[in-house]
Amino acid sequence: QKEVEQNSGPLSVPEGAIASLNCTYSDRGSQSFFWYRQYSGKSPELIMSIYSNGDKEDGRFTAQLNKASQYVSLLIRDSQPSDSATYLCAVNIPQGAQKLVFGQGTRLTINP
Amino acid sequence: DTGVSQDPRHKITKRGQNVTFRCDPISEHNRLYWYRQTLGQGPEFLTYFQNEAQLEKSRLLSDRFSAERPKGSFSTLEIQRTEQGDSAMYLCASSLAGPGQGREKLFFGSGTQLSVL
Repeated sequence: QKEVEQNSGPLSVPEGAIASLNCTYSDRGSQSFFWYRQYSGKSPELIMSIYSNGDKEDGRFTAQLNKASQYVSLLIRDSQPSDSATYLCAVNIPQGAQKLVFGQGTRLTINP
Repeated sequence: DTGVSQDPRHKITKRGQNVTFRCDPISEHNRLYWYRQTLGQGPEFLTYFQNEAQLEKSRLLSDRFSAERPKGSFSTLEIQRTEQGDSAMYLCASSLAGPGQGREKLFFGSGTQLSVL
């Protein structure tokens, strides 16, 4: 089992709709969860972080965390063509390096 | 611009040559990470430093790879005797260690795209 799993997509969503991205993780000790956005040929850019169960909203983005189910998601409301990118879920691994482990990313396309 | 600088942006080399990449982290960040990313995959952890100490190396990192962070400032990643399988984007990231949530929050540089011919 991979430490962090995402559907690789591609996920295609019409402009103005809600895009829903999902991620599961294997280490129950993980405490910090992040969503990064990566445009083609660019490096990952942090867009959301979440540490407690429930929802966290920032503008059009909402991160949701359910530690019991080991599940984290990202909702993008009113999707725009500029949201077209690969979205990476990252989870901290508490042992050792305090490093982040990334999923393989979900490629999202917003269709005008 | 996150404030993390990487040089060069692109590197093309022939198989068997040595290459070295540089990373300058955000100045107040004491943790520095190297990741590698291939097409269609998420970044894979390679190694990390806290100040000048290299505290962990991934099993992915063969003996041909070496990283340094002299004086706890910039870092270099050297690959000796490059192989075609080393072709990837090499990403550097930094963070600020300390108590509290989110200290693992990483800020990435623009990356070095390595192509081994």
